[in-house]
Amino acid sequence: SQQGEEDPQALSIQEGENATMNCSYKTSINNLQWYRQNSGRGLVHLILIRSNEREKHSGRLRVTLDTSKKSSSLLITASRAADTASYFCATSSNFGNEKLTFGTGTRLTIIP
Amino acid sequence: DTAVSQTPKYLVTQMGNDKSIKCEQNLGHDTMYWYKQDSKKFLKIMFSYNNKELIINETVPNRFSPKSPDKAHLNLHINSLELGDSAVYFCASSVRGPSGNNEQFFGPGTRLTVL
Repeated sequence: SQQGEEDPQALSIQEGENATMNCSYKTSINNLQWYRQNSGRGLVHLILIRSNEREKHSGRLRVTLDTSKKSSSLLITASRAADTASYFCATSSNFGNEKLTFGTGTRLTIIP
Repeated sequence: DTAVSQTPKYLVTQMGNDKSIKCEQNLGHDTMYWYKQDSKKFLKIMFSYNNKELIINETVPNRFSPKSPDKAHLNLHINSLELGDSAVYFCASSVRGPSGNNEQFFGPGTRLTVL
């Protein structure tokens, strides 16, 4: 079974609006990461949040983590056309194992 | 300079053939991975090597054999290709350490099509 599941599966918003994506997972984690994948490209790491952290910011990105609900959210503020991509959460459960289990992804489309 | 590179980018082959995909990273990382992304974009780990030693081996048919000649390279050899092997294969690398920061760097992917 999949460790992470993103919600929604697809999201379309107007440029300038904020986009929020959610990720739920099943087992306890060491950290949770968000990646972006542009069409036809590899994944690019965006941000990592550790299990003892609740919120993290990086530029226009804001990530929250609620370990009691086993969920995370990624907020992209003031969206741009270049933010159009698929976004994946990935969880790391075994300290030192480095294995990442990816979610199902959210396809984000920014309408100019 | 490309951090994680894969060759070839596209691979079209007949069922039953044997093929290899090569991966190289110039980041000085000690851990490398192979992932398979299916048509629904689901990304699943296949293998991971740390300093040429296999550390992750998910439930993958033994037709798939990774080979790590040194810690900068992790190649994937696939025997007797089947239709279901059609997917995009991604190589990635990271640093293994006690910090718990296992951010991974991905290659551009190899799109394998089995006819």
